[in-house]
Amino acid sequence: GQQLNQSPQSMFIQEGEDVSMNCTSSSIFNTWLWYKQEPGEGPVLLIALYKAGELTSNGRLTAQFGITRKDSFLNISASIPSDVGIYFCAALTGANSKLTFGKGITLSVRP
Amino acid sequence: DAGVTQSPTHLIKTRGQQVTLRCSPISGHKSVSWYQQVLGQGPQFIFQYYEKEERGRGNFPDRFSARQFPNYSSELNVNALLLGDSALYLCASSLIQASYEQYFGPGTRLTVT
Repeated sequence: GQQLNQSPQSMFIQEGEDVSMNCTSSSIFNTWLWYKQEPGEGPVLLIALYKAGELTSNGRLTAQFGITRKDSFLNISASIPSDVGIYFCAALTGANSKLTFGKGITLSVRP
Repeated sequence: DAGVTQSPTHLIKTRGQQVTLRCSPISGHKSVSWYQQVLGQGPQFIFQYYEKEERGRGNFPDRFSARQFPNYSSELNVNALLLGDSALYLCASSLIQASYEQYFGPGTRLTVT
């Protein structure tokens, strides 16, 4: 089946640092999305990408849809303590809403 | 505006029992999808419903079923519960069937003992 690969499982950074995380697959996807999940809550949509090569920003977050349509990356600049959480990549293939998710990366920010 | 709401927030059941989880989508959203999230994993797609019809099904056994009501709310039913069904069950709503932007509720934490 389709799988999205996210690694490492955990990342530890200092407040103020930038961090990049990527998501890869052996399958082609038409849409890539990045979600953040905090304890006791559902995932919250951060950024959606619709075209290969597209670069989109949302505040301190920047994400790109890979040219091959098999990968995406998310960059968080000038991290702050509230950036702590689990970051999931997700992707769609066709004309339905079946999201395929990666396993997530747990981000810790040291003050 | 209210987001996606789910009830109950927590549930404890015994093996072999049946459970019903409920979801109310964002006002105006017509599509509801259900996901299972096991600890340490990303959500796994179970069902999508749009206009009261099943539009997609993930790789889950027939013990899992769902339905959508005329007001677009939805229920997920799981029969003959197994220990492995313990998970966070998430509901997501979107405006239309093929909408790329899905908005998740807080989930129902199901524990099977």
